[in-house]
Amino acid sequence: AQKITQTQPGMFVQEKEAVTLDCTYDTSDQSYGLFWYKQPSSGEMIFLIYQGSYDEQNATEGRYSLNFQKARKSANLVISASQLGDSAMYFCAMRANSGTYKYIFGTGTRLKVLA
Amino acid sequence: DADVTQTPRNRITKTGKRIMLECSQTKGHDRMYWYRQDPGLGLRLIYYSFDVKDINKGEISDGYSVSRQAQAKFSLSLESAIPNQTALYFCATSQRGGTYEQYFGPGTRLTVT
Repeated sequence: AQKITQTQPGMFVQEKEAVTLDCTYDTSDQSYGLFWYKQPSSGEMIFLIYQGSYDEQNATEGRYSLNFQKARKSANLVISASQLGDSAMYFCAMRANSGTYKYIFGTGTRLKVLA
Repeated sequence: DADVTQTPRNRITKTGKRIMLECSQTKGHDRMYWYRQDPGLGLRLIYYSFDVKDINKGEISDGYSVSRQAQAKFSLSLESAIPNQTALYFCATSQRGGTYEQYFGPGTRLTVT
C-alpha cells in the first residue's frame, strides 16, 4: 500500500533563512510522481513542485527545491530565503504511474515564518 | 476567471438533508477528483473520474455519490448528510500525460448540524 508521512506538524523559520520540510513515502511501484502543495490560510491548494521517480536531478522551481533521495524514499521540500508569505500549510503527495493512478496526501506541515 | 470553480463556497445544512456540491473546469482536463480535508488528516480521496464514463471510488466513498455530467462538470452528492461529513471539500483536475499535477478548486466549506 502507498503511504506518505510528514512527521513535522509545525515548523518555525526566521525570515530570509532556509527551511526543510520532511516527507517520506512508501510504495512498491517503480514509476511514480511526488508533489508538494501549499495551502495558505485562505484555503486554496497551490501546486509548487514535482519530481518524477526516474528524474536523476532534484527538481527546482524558484525558491523551492525538492531533495529527492530515492533509496531512502524521501522527498523533502527546501524553501530558500523564507518570506512572510511562505507561512502556510504544506502537503506532500504521491501518484503512482500505474494501477489506479490515485494520489495520496500526507497530513501536512504548518510553517510559520517569523519576522 | 478561475479555471476550476466550486459551488457553493460555503454551506450549512441539517442532518438528513441531501446536498450537492458542484465543480466545473475550463482547463479541458479529462480527469477530475473529489477530496475532503479534515484537520490533521490531510486530503482524502472520495471519488475520481478519468472520463465521463469512468467513475471510481476513492478511500472514503461511503455516504457519497458522484455524477460526471460532462467532461467539464463533476458533482458530489451527500444523500443524507451527517455531522461527521462536516469538512472542507475540494474538487481537482489533472491532465493525462506530463507531470499529472492537480489543479484545485477553491474549496467548499460544508457544515452539517
